[in-house]
Amino acid sequence: EIVMTQSPATLSVSPGERATLSCRASQSVSSNLAWYQQKPGQAPRLLMYGASTRATGVPARFSGSGSGTEFTLTISGLQSEDFEVYYCQQYNNWPYTFGQGTKLEIK
Amino acid sequence: QVQLQESGPGLVKPSQTLSLTCTVSGGSISGGRYFWGWIRQPAGKGLEWIGRIYGTGSTNSNPSLKSRVTMSVDTAKNQLSLTLSSVTAADTAVYYCAREGYDILTGYGLFDYWGQGTLVTVSS
Repeated sequence: EIVMTQSPATLSVSPGERATLSCRASQSVSSNLAWYQQKPGQAPRLLMYGASTRATGVPARFSGSGSGTEFTLTISGLQSEDFEVYYCQQYNNWPYTFGQGTKLEIK
Repeated sequence: QVQLQESGPGLVKPSQTLSLTCTVSGGSISGGRYFWGWIRQPAGKGLEWIGRIYGTGSTNSNPSLKSRVTMSVDTAKNQLSLTLSSVTAADTAVYYCAREGYDILTGYGLFDYWGQGTLVTVSS
């Protein structure tokens, strides 16, 4: 099973600034990496797939990069609705696995 | 717009079987192109993939749960079902059903539509 490790667990950033979230895979997942945003009491929402392709309706301030074992989700010009929990997920191998999440909080 | 809705008992006794149903609207589960999956999330924790099923009934599941998981589809009702046997407190979680989509470059594995989730508590 591929272990996905996200860092940091909590990230404090001021509105309007940029947030950089990291995700590391225990072995290469190529570009088969997705990012999700989850609000309290709601299901996750697909943000990014293929490491760098935004899902339908996702604002351009969200960008993703990386391949192999190291991935980054960058959110530029943070808005109030962005301060949520973010998960990465690999779908290169079964079982699909998720990171433990990064909570983005207002500084 | 595809919508998914989970339903089932919110409380299950230890050693018994958890049974959930997911009703899909706005799209046919037997229409091809998509798998339909189950994912769970213990309170305050991360997400765990349970398994997936195709409209034909073909399944794949997480090896950590495989011996306890059964999935099925009812194409007439446009529903998928999950049963998890011999439950313990560790199976307490919010259970989601989700559509597993396909990208031409990276293949399957994208969960693009989710149900709202249903909390299942395992307790006597």
